Amino acid sequence: KAGVTQTPRYLIKTRGQQVTLSCSPISGHRSVSWYQQTPGQGLQFLFEYFSETQRNKGNFPGRFSGRQFSNSRSEMNVSTLELGDSALYLCASSLQGPNSPLHFGNGTRLTVT
Amino acid sequence: AQSVTQLDSHVSVSEGTPVLLRCNYSSSYSPSLFWYVQHPNKGLQLLLKYTSAATLVKGINGFEAEFKKSETSFHLTKPSAHMSDAAEYFCVVSDPNAGNNRKLIWGLGTSLAVNP
Repeated sequence: KAGVTQTPRYLIKTRGQQVTLSCSPISGHRSVSWYQQTPGQGLQFLFEYFSETQRNKGNFPGRFSGRQFSNSRSEMNVSTLELGDSALYLCASSLQGPNSPLHFGNGTRLTVT
Repeated sequence: AQSVTQLDSHVSVSEGTPVLLRCNYSSSYSPSLFWYVQHPNKGLQLLLKYTSAATLVKGINGFEAEFKKSETSFHLTKPSAHMSDAAEYFCVVSDPNAGNNRKLIWGLGTSLAVNP
């Protein structure tokens, strides 16, 4: 069974630009979560989608948004990029329920210059 | 409110010696607990999970963890470290009563170094 696929793997953008990251979950998984990981802040929860609906949202500004499609694939968008948005963005898919483990992709490394 | 504390930010062991990564949690109910591992430039992988069954949980790659309610701890152990165990380890607590709204609290991680 294919794992979680995130594209692109690396991305370099300049301040003020916007970026879209993509995540394809494991087949059959309808829940997709996004995390931001930085050395200073650790792992920070961005949002979770289930069946095209945002179910949970972390404490990030409105510049960070996401969506989920009918095939469970998900995208996240960051507008008006800031230097502090440089991070590893991780996507995880899972089955429904709080005890279902998360299956992570290898992440997208975003560098903002 | 839930919280999770990984007591060591860095742990260094020699190859072949035991590994102990400590995790304490705070919860007003009986939580579900997880350990994840992240190798450099990779995503996270589930090592093991506790969901109110047996208190000693065995995971992948020889790791295990024991849920101790009286000590509110869920420490991760391995009898003999291997070079490939060098990675970042995360302890996570989950509210099992959250229904469909998953609520995970992540520890800050423990970086494990394994010396030859």
